[in-house]
Amino acid sequence: EDKVVQSPLSLVVHEGDTVTLNCSYEVTNFRSLLWYKQEKKAPTFLFMLTSSGIEKKSGRLSSILDKKELFSILNITATQTGDSAIYLCAVGISNFGNEKLTFGTGTRLTIIP
Amino acid sequence: DGGITQSPKYLFRKEGQNVTLSCEQNLNHDAMYWYRQDPGQGLRLIYYSQIVNDFQKGDIAEGYSVSREKKESFPLTVTSAQKNPTAFYLCASSWFETGVAEQYFGPGTRLTVT
Repeated sequence: EDKVVQSPLSLVVHEGDTVTLNCSYEVTNFRSLLWYKQEKKAPTFLFMLTSSGIEKKSGRLSSILDKKELFSILNITATQTGDSAIYLCAVGISNFGNEKLTFGTGTRLTIIP
Repeated sequence: DGGITQSPKYLFRKEGQNVTLSCEQNLNHDAMYWYRQDPGQGLRLIYYSQIVNDFQKGDIAEGYSVSREKKESFPLTVTSAQKNPTAFYLCASSWFETGVAEQYFGPGTRLTVT
């Protein structure tokens, strides 16, 4: 059974801190790993990673994938209250031509002013 | 304005009634997906469709049905056979290509069944 595990489940930090969110996976036919941010309703796309060791960066957010150890991390530096959200990790799987995402349970990040 | 629309935003139904949730996209995406999200849980895949007139069961398809008669539309019916239908339902779409493309999400429908 395909599995995506995120940790921690919940994290509370002060504004300005740096946080690291973790995502590990055990799947067959791995294609990609995606990170999403969910504030109130619809998740919004952050990154898609397909190659090991290549960091993707967008402002204060960055992410990297390790396909040997089967995990990814999402870093947020100099956190702001607007970073408070649920961060979802999803793994793209291909199964006989059927492409789908399997999501982890998410990490709820709360930034205290 | 390109995007995915879901309606209604909130839906209330009595137990034993079927209910249909709407999902429309004008992004010209091939693939469409339905997810369910419960408090403290991630998204779980209900059904997905990669081309018109074809769809596959996801991880929790029991008690749900779908149709894909048009590329733009992928309605989800929550039947009375679904044991615990109260949840937040999200629709998504993407290009269908090898390597699993990024999915774009609609705003969701919150269904409450009493």
